[in-house]
Amino acid sequence: AQRVTQPEKLLSVFKGAPVELKCNYSYSGSPELFWYVQYSRQRLQLLLRHISRESIKGFTADLNKGETSFHLKKPFAQEEDSAMYYCALIKETSGSRLTFGEGTQLTVNP
Amino acid sequence: EAGVAQSPRYKIIEKRQSVAFWCNPISGHATLYWYQQILGQGPKLLIQFQNNGVVDDSQLPKDRFSAERLKGVDSTLKIQPAKLEDSAVYLCASKSGRGSYNEQFFGPGTRLTVL
Repeated sequence: AQRVTQPEKLLSVFKGAPVELKCNYSYSGSPELFWYVQYSRQRLQLLLRHISRESIKGFTADLNKGETSFHLKKPFAQEEDSAMYYCALIKETSGSRLTFGEGTQLTVNP
Repeated sequence: EAGVAQSPRYKIIEKRQSVAFWCNPISGHATLYWYQQILGQGPKLLIQFQNNGVVDDSQLPKDRFSAERLKGVDSTLKIQPAKLEDSAVYLCASKSGRGSYNEQFFGPGTRLTVL
């Protein structure tokens, strides 16, 4: 069965520092990878998806099939980036069922 | 456009009682999902509807959980009888179209506490 692992439950950085949230997955096929974010008292929302190869709010993520990773990166963290981040995947054969990791709580300190 | 609506937002019940949650997806969204999110974990899919048909209920504990989407719009999720381990946030999400690339939009969730 597919699995998504986010090794850090908590991550704390200072404003202006680079940040990397790690995501590893186990699945032998060709999954679609996503990052979802939940800001305090807000709904879970899509941040970015690997298929779009886009940068959202300064965040990027590259799918590394060799290492089965999809780490989320931002060169200069901002206080408003503080939130819970979830990595998720969709199997190409599962329709659109999202399998989520356990999440990483990012805190950006002033 | 209005987002996914859920009610109630909070519910406290005792074990062995029954509870029902309601979800109204974004207008026109054919696909509807129910996820269970236990504290400290990521959301886990319980059931997926395409219009009023079930697409995936492989992770739904069918001995106590049931869900329906009779007219292909609103949906209800029921737990009967509830157990302590059902304490969680129940999230509803909806998506337009069939493609997996389409974004899933989430509701605010219903926080269930079973005592």
